[in-house]
Amino acid sequence: DAKTTQPNSMESNEEEPVHLPCNHSTISGTDYIHWYRQLPSQGPEYVIHGLTSNVNNRMASLAIAEDRKSSTLILHRATLRDAAVYYCILRGRGGSEKLVFGKGTKLTVNP
Amino acid sequence: NAGVTQTPKFRVLKTGQSMTLLCAQDMNHEYMYWYRQDPGMGLRLIHYSVGEGTTAKGEVPDGYNVSRLKKQNFLLGLESAAPSQTSVYFCASSTRGRPQETQYFGPGTRLLVL
Repeated sequence: DAKTTQPNSMESNEEEPVHLPCNHSTISGTDYIHWYRQLPSQGPEYVIHGLTSNVNNRMASLAIAEDRKSSTLILHRATLRDAAVYYCILRGRGGSEKLVFGKGTKLTVNP
Repeated sequence: NAGVTQTPKFRVLKTGQSMTLLCAQDMNHEYMYWYRQDPGMGLRLIHYSVGEGTTAKGEVPDGYNVSRLKKQNFLLGLESAAPSQTSVYFCASSTRGRPQETQYFGPGTRLLVL
């Protein structure tokens, strides 16, 4: 699985949008981009995933660059409950049995 | 629908003791996984299973054994616990291992080995 690079930490204010970046310059054409988050003292939970097109769900939006070498997770209105570590993970064919977690981005949301 | 559950939530062991962690899922998933997470780190795969009766090694399998006798259960065993196995253990499951699929995680088991 290709490597991803994320900032170690980010801060946001409550009810403001948050843009969490992820670089994945070695992504292959069949790699899916997944985002998971881990709230304090909990297991990771799925947020969103995409392949080429931008994606929206009830939790967030995923914006994928045209060359697919980077992506951005967008939380439209951050709440205190969104404070978590966010992981950007690539999953491709062959070896996709596991999720390869980096250190992720720790998001702090200020009231 | 409870999703993925783990037993116990917390355990303290002495070096050399053994224990078994239980993971159960009620989503009829074929694939199940065991990960460990050390402080400040991401999760690392210990073992996984692609179906009842099958298991395979992950990234950090040494010191652990697993069994998948029933589709809904995945057991992680520590035969002789060591302080280096102090960690938080997460179980996960997915329909299959396809790259577009989601993994569903349990709440974790905190293990302290003295």
